[in-house]
Amino acid sequence: DADVTQTPRNRITKTGKRIMLECSQTKGHDRMYWYRQDPGLGLRLIYYSFDVKDINKGEISDGYSVSRQAQAKFSLSLESAIPNQTALYFCATSDWAGGNDEQYFGPGTRLTVT
Amino acid sequence: QKEVEQNSGPLSVPEGAIASLNCTYSDRVSQSFFWYRQYSGKSPELIMSIYSNGDKEDGRFTAQLNKASQYVSLLIRDSQPSDSATYLCAARRGGSYIPTFGRGTSLIVHP
Repeated sequence: DADVTQTPRNRITKTGKRIMLECSQTKGHDRMYWYRQDPGLGLRLIYYSFDVKDINKGEISDGYSVSRQAQAKFSLSLESAIPNQTALYFCATSDWAGGNDEQYFGPGTRLTVT
Repeated sequence: QKEVEQNSGPLSVPEGAIASLNCTYSDRVSQSFFWYRQYSGKSPELIMSIYSNGDKEDGRFTAQLNKASQYVSLLIRDSQPSDSATYLCAARRGGSYIPTFGRGTSLIVHP
């Protein structure tokens, strides 16, 4: 089984709809991240969480919210989706508590907003 | 100015050759450096991390770090068509918890 899973893997939604992307990990890592990737723009950080009670905004948090339901689960919500949120979304984890700053990525969610 | 710069490529090399991928960073206090491989439509996969000046080897991959010149490179020996992908460089500054990613270099290995 994959260490970092994301659901759904593909989603098409309409403008104005609320959508949630979910991330789960079995790696036991303390830190979790949400990125989006657009062609030509690279990876951009949306939100990150050090633990269940510590959530921080990244460089492009407007229009997004997150919830860290447990150490292993980190969800990203788009409250009212808009077409320019069409992108590839990745969840990542790292094991800072274990002294390791390497990030490990989930398989991604391809989101299309029409 | 992007903090981590990579040539977008594509870099084209023949099968069996050495592919050399370069990355420069602007923040002198960067202390952790990472190379990821990303196939089209897939997620980034960590190849290796490097923290000290010099070379670090893992199989066909060698990462090289030169903090004085603020560059990090990735050499791929005996390149294979399956190495064709985009390679992302990332750097994390001391005191920050988040790495900054470059936009990636596209590598094409042709038979």
